[in-house]
Amino acid sequence: QKEVEQDPGPLSVPEGAIVSLNCTYSNSAFQYFMWYRQYSRKGPELLMYTYSSGNKEDGRFTAQVDKSSKYISLFIRDSQPSDSATYLCAMNGLSGSARQLTFGSGTQLTVLP
Amino acid sequence: DGGITQSPKYLFRKEGQNVTLSCEQNLNHDAMYWYRQDPGQGLRLIYYSQIVNDFQKGDIAEGYSVSREKKESFPLTVTSAQKNPTAFYLCASSGDSDSYEQYFGPGTRLTVT
Repeated sequence: QKEVEQDPGPLSVPEGAIVSLNCTYSNSAFQYFMWYRQYSRKGPELLMYTYSSGNKEDGRFTAQVDKSSKYISLFIRDSQPSDSATYLCAMNGLSGSARQLTFGSGTQLTVLP
Repeated sequence: DGGITQSPKYLFRKEGQNVTLSCEQNLNHDAMYWYRQDPGQGLRLIYYSQIVNDFQKGDIAEGYSVSREKKESFPLTVTSAQKNPTAFYLCASSGDSDSYEQYFGPGTRLTVT
């Protein structure tokens, strides 16, 4: 079993829809959670960064962490065609180097105009 | 204009040849990382460096080597010992010792035939 599981999709939604992207994880020691957006053939871009449980909002994006369920979500409101990309969740690694990140495999999202 | 640069964007090599991928950052970040991305597998850590002249193996270091002679530069050599070198390679960096956020370069697509 992978430490971080993410539904690969693909996920297609109409423009203006609310999108929900999710990851589950197995290690309760993870504390820092990130969402990256990756356009085709480009490097990932950091979207959201949260610590421990709770919600964080930035414009149309909301990141949610539920540590009791080991479940994180990214919501995109009023989705736009420019949101079409692969979304990767990531969380901090453990002993050795605390700066290592463990990534989900990514969810491919298409927002249809 | 601060950021991480990787060159070249596309690289083609014959099997049995070593090849070096460049990664440079002008963000004054201490830590630098190399990842490999394959379809459906997310990002896997190859090597990382927290400080100049020091680096550690990641999850898939076999067949790769790195150096960190300058803070700004972290080149990755893909050796002929790497059995499946064709992949998308991503370099990242992170800032001070309290930071878990990693920032990525645009990537190098390596094709070995």
